Amino acid sequence: GAVVSQHPSRVICKSGTSVKIECRSLDFQATTMFWYRQFPKQSLMLMATSNEGSKATYEQGVEKDKFLINHASLTLSTLTVTSAHPEDSSFYICSARPPGHHTGELFFGEGSRLTVL
Amino acid sequence: AQSVTQPDIHITVSEGASLELRCNYSYGATPYLFWYVQSPGQGLQLLLKYFSGDTLVQGIKGFEAEFKRSQSSFNLRKPSVHWSDAAEYFCAVAPSGGYNKLIFGAGTRLAVHP
Repeated sequence: GAVVSQHPSRVICKSGTSVKIECRSLDFQATTMFWYRQFPKQSLMLMATSNEGSKATYEQGVEKDKFLINHASLTLSTLTVTSAHPEDSSFYICSARPPGHHTGELFFGEGSRLTVL
Repeated sequence: AQSVTQPDIHITVSEGASLELRCNYSYGATPYLFWYVQSPGQGLQLLLKYFSGDTLVQGIKGFEAEFKRSQSSFNLRKPSVHWSDAAEYFCAVAPSGGYNKLIFGAGTRLAVHP
């Protein structure tokens, strides 16, 4: 089956630093990837849609300057949390839809837990 | 606005007992419907999906779900729960017509007693 992988799975950083999270589709090409954020014991909230070769589309209320998304190739999207603060601590999950799969049939990465001290 | 409601935040069942997790959606047309499962600290795995046709759909791990248009529901069921089924379950909808944006419910945390 299709595999989406994230790295790192856990990261701890100091307040004010930037952190990059990678999302890779290992066995398929993904022109679009989706970044979700999950607060403890809560549901997933779509942050942005990452589009290969073009700008990401951000959901309402998500700061595009805070959460930089780059989708430079068909198998890699990156999320950079800039000038991280403790309130940015969360579980970040990416997903993608492999070719041939229906709308909404997404494959998710393992998630990346960010802790900002 | 589109929304997904999972009324039960937490459910506890005994191993071997039957299970039903509720999901209701609010959407103008019939959306695509999904159930995902998330083990602690992990990403999500697709259990099953409904697009059209037979309203009773079978998924992995012995799960099934039934779409009821009149009730705007898509409840997840399993006849006999295993301890390994303990996880968080999310119902999700995607607008039919080619867009991949998933709207998730708040999730139901399932605990299984031996």
